Order: sequence, then C-alpha cells, then structure tokens
Amino acid sequence: EAGVTQFPSHSVIEKGQTVTLRCDPISGHDNLYWYRRVMGKEIKFLLHFVKESKQDESGMPNNRFLAERTGGTYSTLKVQPAELEDSGVYFCASSLSGGATYEQYFGPGTRLTVT
Amino acid sequence: GNSVTQMEGPVTLSEEAFLTINCTYTATGYPSLFWYVQYPGEGLQLLLKATKADDKGSNKGFEATYRKETTSFHLEKGSVQVSDSAVYFCALSSSTSGTYKYIFGTGTRLKVLA
Repeated sequence: EAGVTQFPSHSVIEKGQTVTLRCDPISGHDNLYWYRRVMGKEIKFLLHFVKESKQDESGMPNNRFLAERTGGTYSTLKVQPAELEDSGVYFCASSLSGGATYEQYFGPGTRLTVT
Repeated sequence: GNSVTQMEGPVTLSEEAFLTINCTYTATGYPSLFWYVQYPGEGLQLLLKATKADDKGSNKGFEATYRKETTSFHLEKGSVQVSDSAVYFCALSSSTSGTYKYIFGTGTRLKVLA
C-alpha cells in the first residue's frame, strides 16, 4: 500500500513568489491534514479536510495560504505571496477516521525555503 | 490550552545505553498520546500510542506509559542502537471544532554512537 506522498520534496523561492505544495493521501483516507514545522520549533496544525470539505482551518496563519482538496483526493497548499517567515517543513497526513485514537499517517514533508 | 512539553535535545548516547525522553502534557479531557519518530530523510512514523490512562504503548523495544496523575508519557528503551538515531516527537490528539488534531512537542534529536 502506498503511503502519503508529497511534492516537491524541497522548494526554494524568493520572497513575493508563489509556491504550491501537493499532497496525495493514502487511498481511501477521507481525512487529510496539513501541519508545519518552523525551524527548530514544534509541528503545528494548519487545517483538516474531510473529503473535499474544510473541517477546521483554525491553524492557517493568514490569508496568503490557500488549501484545496478538489474531489476529495489529493490536496494542494498554495502560498501567495510567500514571506520569509513561511520557511519550514510542511507535512501532510491522512487518516481513515477522524477520531482521537486513530493514527495519522504522515508524508515525508516539503521543505520550503523563502529567500 | 492544550500543550506538550518535551525535553530539549540533542541527546547523545553510546550504543546499548538506556534511553529516557521526557514528555509531559496539559490537556482537558482524555487525550490519546503518541510518539512519532523521524529518521533522516524520511517522514514521521508512528512509534507507539496509548489511548487511556495506565495504557502502555510499546514497539521496537520502546515503551511509554500514559500517566494521568503526572500528565506524562515518557519514552524509554533499555538498550539503544545506532539505528535509533532520529528525531522523536511526543504528541497528543486534541479535539476542537470536531477535529482531532495533533499537538506536538518540539522534538528531541537522539544520536547514538557506536
């Protein structure tokens, strides 16, 4: 069974540019999450999809971030325009159910560097 | 609000040494607790979990017990190997607005020397 995949693995862009990150969850997983780890700090929740609907986007830092999950399969996270403080590792995770005891399966992450 | 506090790293040990990585949490209700591990160049992998008080999670020689009285979930291993070198994250599953999101600690880097 294929795991959660993310693309690209690493992106370097200049301040003011746009970047789109992609996440392909495990097939059949309705729940998809985005998290971010800024250098040396904790991994923080950004948002949660159930199928194509946003269940909780309380962790999104500001309106420069836009997440979509058209068709309830893969998801994209767009940052426009990127700022220096957006640098970090962006993780995607998926789970079969959204309950407390259910494991979330993580992808390898996308390392974003904004210069 | 809910939070997780992990011991600062890095932790450097010799092979076959005993490992403890401390993790304490603050949470309302009864969260589930997890340890995730990130090996170099890879994503986060679930190491073990516990879903209620006094549960012990275990995997690959690692153990952690959910202690509600001390709000702790310390990770232990009796004899570490070089291959255990990685970053370890403690996390709890917390519900707000119908979402069970993870709240992570800052991660502890472990380096095991041969």
